[in-house]
Amino acid sequence: AQTVTQSQPEMSVQEAETVTLSCTYDTSESDYYLFWYKQPPSRQMILVIRQEAYKQQNATENRFSVNFQKAAKSFSLKISDSQLGDAAMYFCAYRKYNQGGKLIFGQGTELSVKP
Amino acid sequence: DAMVIQNPRYQVTQFGKPVTLSCSQTLNHNVMYWYQQKSSQAPKLLFHYYDKDFNNEADTPDNFQSRRPNTSFCFLDIRSPGLGDAAMYLCATSRERGGNSPLHFGNGTRLTVT
Repeated sequence: AQTVTQSQPEMSVQEAETVTLSCTYDTSESDYYLFWYKQPPSRQMILVIRQEAYKQQNATENRFSVNFQKAAKSFSLKISDSQLGDAAMYFCAYRKYNQGGKLIFGQGTELSVKP
Repeated sequence: DAMVIQNPRYQVTQFGKPVTLSCSQTLNHNVMYWYQQKSSQAPKLLFHYYDKDFNNEADTPDNFQSRRPNTSFCFLDIRSPGLGDAAMYLCATSRERGGNSPLHFGNGTRLTVT
């Protein structure tokens, strides 16, 4: 069975600085998708960034980028120029390539941003 | 704006008293999901609908049921809520079940059981 592990329950970053959130996963599949979701306090969960396992190039969305290491089964999220609005719970998630694959979440990392 | 709407935001029910949570979507997505998220934990998939096809997770208690009367609406019924069912319930949609089709979440309904 696939599992997703986020080893950092809490992280803190100074405003305008860079922070990296860690995620590792376990799977025997070769094709799959990885996601980072953001869940601000009392607000809806939204997609931050996604990565296809068959793509070697790391995904980037503005200030958010990933470091995808397929052999190591690692998928970290880097947030550059951190802003107060980045404070949230961040979930790493895995999904199988084929239809029917459910989204499997990690335990989450709570990120606080200090002004 | 197209979105996923959950009502109510907060729901209080008594131990053993049936409760229904609702979700609607204007995205016209094929798939609708229900997740249970307990405090400081990862969301856990309860079940999903692909169109009218219901798919239950193996470890979802029988106490939890769902209905999808049409594309836009999906309901979560808890037949006899226990104290352990207090949680945030998240509804989500996606265009397709797998692959790169991202999930779109509602704001959630926080259920309290007294």
